[in-house]
Amino acid sequence: GQNIDQPTEMTATEGAIVQINCTYQTSGFNGLFWYQQHAGEAPTFLSYNVLDGLEEKGRFSSFLSRSKGYSYLLLKELQMKDSASYLCAVRAGANNLFFGTGTRLTVIP
Amino acid sequence: DAGVTQSPTHLIKTRGQHVTLRCSPISGHKSVSWYQQVLGQGPQFIFQYYEKEERGRGNFPDRFSARQFPNYSSELNVNALLLGDSALYLCASSSALGLESYGYTFGSGTRLTVV
Repeated sequence: GQNIDQPTEMTATEGAIVQINCTYQTSGFNGLFWYQQHAGEAPTFLSYNVLDGLEEKGRFSSFLSRSKGYSYLLLKELQMKDSASYLCAVRAGANNLFFGTGTRLTVIP
Repeated sequence: DAGVTQSPTHLIKTRGQHVTLRCSPISGHKSVSWYQQVLGQGPQFIFQYYEKEERGRGNFPDRFSARQFPNYSSELNVNALLLGDSALYLCASSSALGLESYGYTFGSGTRLTVV
């Protein structure tokens, strides 16, 4: 089975940096994804890691440590529009995607 | 170029009824996956289809079934609806078996309410 854990809620200030952590236990690991989901909308792709290390894409960065079963999503220069749920998902098994419960981020002025 | 389209967008059903949800993947994509997302939770994997064959099944009862058509569109069927089936049902498409670095592209979902 797949077990993916991330904090339920986080709050951060506009302009600041926030790190959202994700730990996982899975069989047949084949990549980790981060998605952003605004309320009532579809998840949208943010980042992908399959090898250890940091992937940077503009204000967003994602880190993976396969040996520790750990990833984080780093958001810099927070904007109000970044208020959303952030979903950690692991591709495993027969290349299916399994999601954590999501972290609801609230950005305050 | 159209994205992943799902229909209907909203649906209200009564306990015990059945429902059919539809999904059209991005043109050229051959794989469709279905997810159930209960309010406040992450999406839960239900099925994956590739080239009209089931390639994965999550931990859902047999009341849930799906199929994929020759044009790669897909239907999710749920029989004997329960109140707990109320959720957002998401469809995701990928060109192969989701091996691309961008994973899957999601549709906007069908909001099912069971009363």
